[in-house]
Amino acid sequence: SQTIHQWPATLVQPVGSPLSLECTVEGTSNPNLYWYRQAAGRGLQLLFYSVGIGQISSEVPQNLSASRPQDRQFILSSKKLLLSDSGFYLCAWTTSYNEQFFGPGTRLTVL
Amino acid sequence: GESVGLHLPTLSVQEGDNSIINCAYSNSASDYFIWYKQESGKGPQFIIDIRSNMDKRQGQRVTVLLNKTVKHLSLQIAATQPGDSAVYFCAETPSNYKLTFGKGTLLTVNP
Repeated sequence: SQTIHQWPATLVQPVGSPLSLECTVEGTSNPNLYWYRQAAGRGLQLLFYSVGIGQISSEVPQNLSASRPQDRQFILSSKKLLLSDSGFYLCAWTTSYNEQFFGPGTRLTVL
Repeated sequence: GESVGLHLPTLSVQEGDNSIINCAYSNSASDYFIWYKQESGKGPQFIIDIRSNMDKRQGQRVTVLLNKTVKHLSLQIAATQPGDSAVYFCAETPSNYKLTFGKGTLLTVNP
């Protein structure tokens, strides 16, 4: 069966520090991968998606970047965090025109 | 741009009652719709989906209704239980691997 992992689960970082969040998927090949951000009490905002290794589409211009070094690995990064980067970051995957499966999320607090 | 929104941001029901959560979408090209349940601090969990060639689909205690004429989607939960308390999101896609999510409805079930 397929499994999606995200780490860390929670993270507290100072403004201006770098960020690296990792997402990995098990049990499937060539998935489409997604990064979403969710502000407290709000909906999901699509940040990036990838249809293959090295292929990244950015949905919202911002302080973040994404990379896909391996088929089942998706990384969200920032060189310098802003206060507005705080939120709940969710990774998701799908292999077809079907439901996306979400990871457990990373709670990021920028102070 | 296209968007998906919810009519009611909060819904409070008594245990055992039926719940109805509504969603409006604006992308007439959307042909696949999903309802997700998100508990506090967790990633969204798939509940039920429906394609545009259907107007009703039933699962265990849940029913999704789709009215393409007015671009309206609803989720009905029968015999609502305390464990159903969560935020419910609708999502839609024109089958291009990208989902657009609504803002979410907080369902509170009172014992």
